[in-house]
Amino acid sequence: DQQVKQNSPSLSVQEGRISILNCDYTNSMFDYFLWYKKYPAEGPTFLISISSIKDKNEDGRFTVFLNKSAKHLSLHIVPSQPGDSAVYFCAASSGSARQLTFGSGTQLTVLP
Amino acid sequence: EAGVAQSPRYKIIEKRQSVAFWCNPISGHATLYWYQQILGQGPKLLIQFQNNGVVDDSQLPKDRFSAERLKGVDSTLKIQPAKLEDSAVYLCASSPRLAVQETQYFGPGTRLLVL
Repeated sequence: DQQVKQNSPSLSVQEGRISILNCDYTNSMFDYFLWYKKYPAEGPTFLISISSIKDKNEDGRFTVFLNKSAKHLSLHIVPSQPGDSAVYFCAASSGSARQLTFGSGTQLTVLP
Repeated sequence: EAGVAQSPRYKIIEKRQSVAFWCNPISGHATLYWYQQILGQGPKLLIQFQNNGVVDDSQLPKDRFSAERLKGVDSTLKIQPAKLEDSAVYLCASSPRLAVQETQYFGPGTRLLVL
Protein backbone atom coordinates (compact mmCIF):
# COMPACT_ATOMS: atom_id res chain seq x y z
CA ASP A 1 0.00 0.00 0.00
CA GLN A 2 1.75 3.12 -1.26
CA GLN A 3 1.03 5.99 1.09
CA VAL A 4 2.93 8.49 -1.06
CA LYS A 5 2.47 8.35 -4.82
CA GLN A 6 4.19 10.07 -7.69
CA ASN A 7 2.20 9.02 -10.72
CA SER A 8 4.47 10.53 -13.36
CA PRO A 9 7.70 8.52 -13.74
CA SER A 10 9.15 11.16 -16.06
CA LEU A 11 8.73 14.76 -17.18
CA SER A 12 10.49 16.74 -19.92
CA VAL A 13 10.51 20.53 -19.93
CA GLN A 14 12.18 23.17 -22.06
CA GLU A 15 14.82 25.32 -20.40
CA GLY A 16 13.35 28.51 -18.98
CA ARG A 17 9.83 27.09 -18.68
CA ILE A 18 8.05 25.93 -15.54
CA SER A 19 8.42 22.38 -14.22
CA ILE A 20 5.54 21.04 -12.12
CA LEU A 21 6.03 17.80 -10.23
CA ASN A 22 3.08 16.25 -8.45
CA CYS A 23 2.65 14.03 -5.41
CA ASP A 24 -0.40 12.50 -3.73
CA TYR A 25 -0.66 10.94 -0.28
CA THR A 26 -3.24 8.86 1.51
CA ASN A 27 -2.23 9.03 5.19
CA SER A 28 -3.96 11.99 6.86
CA MET A 29 -1.51 11.75 9.78
CA PHE A 30 1.34 13.10 7.65
CA ASP A 31 2.19 16.59 8.92
CA TYR A 32 5.44 17.44 7.18
CA PHE A 33 6.35 17.08 3.53
CA LEU A 34 9.68 17.27 1.76
CA TRP A 35 11.15 17.17 -1.71
CA TYR A 36 14.51 15.55 -2.35
CA LYS A 37 16.57 15.69 -5.53
CA LYS A 38 18.80 12.82 -6.61
CA TYR A 39 21.56 12.76 -9.22
CA PRO A 40 22.91 9.42 -10.52
CA ALA A 41 25.34 7.66 -8.16
CA GLU A 42 24.61 10.16 -5.38
CA GLY A 43 22.33 10.09 -2.38
CA PRO A 44 19.16 12.21 -2.28
CA THR A 45 19.69 15.83 -1.24
CA PHE A 46 17.10 17.93 0.54
CA LEU A 47 15.46 20.57 -1.62
CA ILE A 48 12.47 22.15 0.11
CA SER A 49 9.84 21.29 2.72
CA ILE A 50 6.45 22.39 3.96
CA SER A 51 4.57 21.95 7.20
CA SER A 52 0.91 20.93 7.12
CA ILE A 53 -0.05 24.26 8.72
CA LYS A 54 1.04 26.06 5.55
CA ASP A 55 -0.14 25.85 1.98
CA LYS A 56 2.91 27.32 0.25
CA ASN A 57 6.63 27.57 0.81
CA GLU A 58 9.05 29.31 -1.49
CA ASP A 59 12.84 29.14 -1.81
CA GLY A 60 14.32 30.90 -4.81
CA ARG A 61 13.21 29.12 -7.97
CA PHE A 62 11.47 26.37 -6.00
CA THR A 63 7.95 26.57 -4.58
CA VAL A 64 6.01 23.79 -2.90
CA PHE A 65 2.22 23.92 -2.68
CA LEU A 66 0.17 21.80 -0.30
CA ASN A 67 -3.54 21.07 -0.70
CA LYS A 68 -4.53 19.18 2.42
CA SER A 69 -8.15 18.61 1.43
CA ALA A 70 -7.00 16.92 -1.78
CA LYS A 71 -4.00 15.27 -0.08
CA HIS A 72 -1.85 16.66 -2.87
CA LEU A 73 1.38 18.57 -3.08
CA SER A 74 3.32 19.92 -5.98
CA LEU A 75 6.78 21.31 -6.64
CA HIS A 76 7.16 24.19 -9.06
CA ILE A 77 10.54 25.07 -10.55
CA VAL A 78 10.69 28.42 -12.34
CA PRO A 79 12.64 28.92 -14.51
CA SER A 80 13.84 25.39 -15.16
CA GLN A 81 17.55 24.91 -15.87
CA PRO A 82 19.44 21.96 -17.41
CA GLY A 83 21.15 21.41 -14.03
CA ASP A 84 17.73 20.67 -12.54
CA SER A 85 17.65 17.40 -14.49
CA ALA A 86 17.46 14.73 -11.78
CA VAL A 87 15.06 12.38 -10.04
CA TYR A 88 12.77 14.19 -7.61
CA PHE A 89 11.33 12.33 -4.63
CA CYS A 90 8.38 13.46 -2.60
CA ALA A 91 8.46 12.37 1.07
CA ALA A 92 6.16 12.70 4.06
CA SER A 93 6.58 12.23 7.79
CA SER A 94 4.47 11.96 10.93
CA GLY A 95 4.67 10.86 14.53
CA SER A 96 7.39 11.23 17.11
CA ALA A 97 9.88 9.08 15.17
CA ARG A 98 9.68 11.41 12.14
CA GLN A 99 10.22 8.58 9.68
CA LEU A 100 10.11 9.49 6.01
CA THR A 101 7.82 7.70 3.55
CA PHE A 102 8.99 8.29 -0.01
CA GLY A 103 7.23 8.28 -3.34
CA SER A 104 8.71 6.40 -6.28
CA GLY A 105 10.24 9.49 -7.86
CA THR A 106 9.88 11.53 -11.06
CA GLN A 107 12.73 11.85 -13.54
CA LEU A 108 12.87 15.49 -14.66
CA THR A 109 14.73 16.30 -17.86
CA VAL A 110 15.25 19.96 -18.73
CA LEU A 111 16.07 20.34 -22.38
CA PRO A 112 18.43 23.15 -23.46
CA GLU B 1 31.35 19.91 7.16
CA ALA B 2 31.92 16.36 5.91
CA GLY B 3 28.86 14.53 4.68
CA VAL B 4 27.60 11.03 5.41
CA ALA B 5 30.21 8.47 4.37
CA GLN B 6 29.38 4.97 3.20
CA SER B 7 31.47 2.03 2.07
CA PRO B 8 31.82 0.10 -0.06
CA ARG B 9 30.21 1.96 -2.95
CA TYR B 10 29.58 -1.23 -4.93
CA LYS B 11 29.36 -4.89 -4.02
CA ILE B 12 28.63 -7.99 -6.07
CA ILE B 13 27.98 -11.27 -4.26
CA GLU B 14 26.32 -14.58 -4.93
CA LYS B 15 23.07 -15.55 -3.25
CA ARG B 16 23.45 -17.11 0.18
CA GLN B 17 26.66 -15.16 0.79
CA SER B 18 27.02 -12.53 3.52
CA VAL B 19 27.69 -8.84 3.08
CA ALA B 20 28.18 -5.85 5.37
CA PHE B 21 27.85 -2.13 4.77
CA TRP B 22 29.36 0.65 6.83
CA CYS B 23 28.11 4.17 7.52
CA ASN B 24 29.74 7.14 9.22
CA PRO B 25 27.14 9.87 9.85
CA ILE B 26 27.76 13.60 10.02
CA SER B 27 29.61 14.45 13.21
CA GLY B 28 27.24 15.15 16.08
CA HIS B 29 24.16 13.73 14.41
CA ALA B 30 22.20 11.66 16.91
CA THR B 31 19.77 10.00 14.53
CA LEU B 32 20.85 7.49 11.90
CA TYR B 33 18.72 5.72 9.28
CA TRP B 34 19.26 2.83 6.88
CA TYR B 35 17.11 2.74 3.73
CA GLN B 36 16.77 0.21 0.94
CA GLN B 37 16.09 1.59 -2.54
CA ILE B 38 15.08 -0.96 -5.15
CA LEU B 39 15.37 0.13 -8.78
CA GLY B 40 12.39 2.25 -9.82
CA GLN B 41 11.17 2.78 -6.25
CA GLY B 42 11.70 5.34 -3.54
CA PRO B 43 13.87 4.66 -0.50
CA LYS B 44 12.23 2.44 2.12
CA LEU B 45 13.23 2.74 5.76
CA LEU B 46 14.81 -0.39 7.24
CA ILE B 47 15.93 0.78 10.67
CA GLN B 48 16.27 3.98 12.65
CA PHE B 49 18.69 4.64 15.52
CA GLN B 50 18.66 7.41 18.09
CA ASN B 51 22.22 7.48 19.45
CA ASN B 52 22.95 3.76 19.94
CA GLY B 53 19.34 2.72 20.58
CA VAL B 54 16.87 1.38 18.01
CA VAL B 55 13.84 3.64 17.47
CA ASP B 56 12.14 1.50 14.82
CA ASP B 57 13.14 -1.69 13.03
CA SER B 58 9.65 -2.83 12.08
CA GLN B 59 10.52 -3.04 8.36
CA LEU B 60 13.84 -4.82 8.81
CA PRO B 61 13.73 -8.50 7.68
CA LYS B 62 15.24 -9.74 10.89
CA ASP B 63 15.71 -13.31 9.71
CA ARG B 64 18.53 -12.12 7.43
CA PHE B 65 19.23 -8.45 8.14
CA SER B 66 20.92 -7.03 11.22
CA ALA B 67 22.22 -3.60 12.11
CA GLU B 68 24.10 -2.03 14.95
CA ARG B 69 25.35 1.38 15.96
CA LEU B 70 28.09 0.97 18.48
CA LYS B 71 28.90 3.98 20.66
CA GLY B 72 26.19 5.95 18.88
CA VAL B 73 28.41 6.93 15.94
CA ASP B 74 29.24 4.52 13.08
CA SER B 75 26.79 1.89 11.99
CA THR B 76 26.94 -1.39 10.09
CA LEU B 77 24.16 -3.17 8.22
CA LYS B 78 24.60 -6.88 7.52
CA ILE B 79 22.75 -9.31 5.28
CA GLN B 80 23.19 -13.01 5.92
CA PRO B 81 22.36 -14.91 3.78
CA ALA B 82 21.64 -12.66 0.80
CA LYS B 83 18.80 -13.32 -1.64
CA LEU B 84 18.37 -12.17 -5.23
CA GLU B 85 15.67 -9.69 -4.15
CA ASP B 86 18.16 -7.91 -1.87
CA SER B 87 19.74 -6.31 -4.96
CA ALA B 88 19.27 -2.61 -4.29
CA VAL B 89 21.02 0.57 -3.21
CA TYR B 90 21.43 0.80 0.56
CA LEU B 91 21.34 4.39 1.75
CA CYS B 92 22.43 5.70 5.11
CA ALA B 93 21.13 9.04 6.37
CA SER B 94 21.59 11.08 9.52
CA SER B 95 19.94 14.03 11.20
CA PRO B 96 20.91 16.10 14.23
CA ARG B 97 17.99 14.87 16.33
CA LEU B 98 14.39 13.71 16.21
CA ALA B 99 12.38 16.82 15.41
CA VAL B 100 9.52 17.84 13.17
CA GLN B 101 11.52 19.95 10.76
CA GLU B 102 14.80 18.11 10.91
CA THR B 103 16.38 17.40 7.53
CA GLN B 104 17.86 13.99 6.83
CA TYR B 105 21.24 14.04 5.07
CA PHE B 106 21.97 11.07 2.84
CA GLY B 107 25.19 9.33 1.96
CA PRO B 108 25.98 8.22 -1.61
CA GLY B 109 24.74 4.68 -0.97
CA THR B 110 26.10 1.18 -1.52
CA ARG B 111 24.89 -0.54 -4.67
CA LEU B 112 24.47 -4.27 -4.04
CA LEU B 113 24.02 -6.85 -6.77
CA VAL B 114 23.16 -10.39 -5.73
CA LEU B 115 23.73 -13.02 -8.44
